[in-house]
Amino acid sequence: EAGVTQFPSHSVIEKGQTVTLRCDPISGHDNLYWYRRVMGKEIKFLLHFVKESKQDESGMPNNRFLAERTGGTYSTLKVQPAELEDSGVYFCASSQDPTSGYTDTQYFGPGTRLTVL
Amino acid sequence: QKEVEQNSGPLSVPEGAIASLNCTYSDRVSQSFFWYRQYSGKSPELIMSIYSNGDKEDGRFTAQLNKASQYVSLLIRDSQPSDSATYLCAVIPSDYKLSFGAGTTVTVRA
Repeated sequence: EAGVTQFPSHSVIEKGQTVTLRCDPISGHDNLYWYRRVMGKEIKFLLHFVKESKQDESGMPNNRFLAERTGGTYSTLKVQPAELEDSGVYFCASSQDPTSGYTDTQYFGPGTRLTVL
Repeated sequence: QKEVEQNSGPLSVPEGAIASLNCTYSDRVSQSFFWYRQYSGKSPELIMSIYSNGDKEDGRFTAQLNKASQYVSLLIRDSQPSDSATYLCAVIPSDYKLSFGAGTTVTVRA
């Protein structure tokens, strides 16, 4: 079974440009999460989809970040315009069953390392 | 106060020794506790989950949870060089989103 995949693995852009990150969850997983780790800090939650619906986007830093999950399959996270402080590693995770609550295991992708110059 | 705090490390242990990793959390209503292992440049990989007070063993790994003290630990017995990685403590306070500690880097010396 394929794991969570993310594309690209690295992205280097200039301040003010737009970048779109993609996440493909494990097939059949309804839950999809985005997390971010900035240099020297903990991994922080950004948002949570259940199928195509945003369940919780309380961690999104500001309105320069837009996440979508059309059709409840893959998700994209767009940063527009990018700022220096957006640099970090963006992780996607997926889990199977939204009804299993606290015991639902989240499987992580390898992350996208974003560098904003 | 951080939601999840780990002993800062790095932690260096000789091969065959026990590595002990500690984690405390601030939200008393937290329900679920996880240890992830992350090799450099790779995805965090779940190695242990624990939901009830006490010990949970899986191979060379033992997780210990004490909700009264808001404390969770991970013991790695018979440490191997392949155990060298960053270990992330993660907690689900009250919903689905994980709160992570900063991680502890473990190096096992051959």
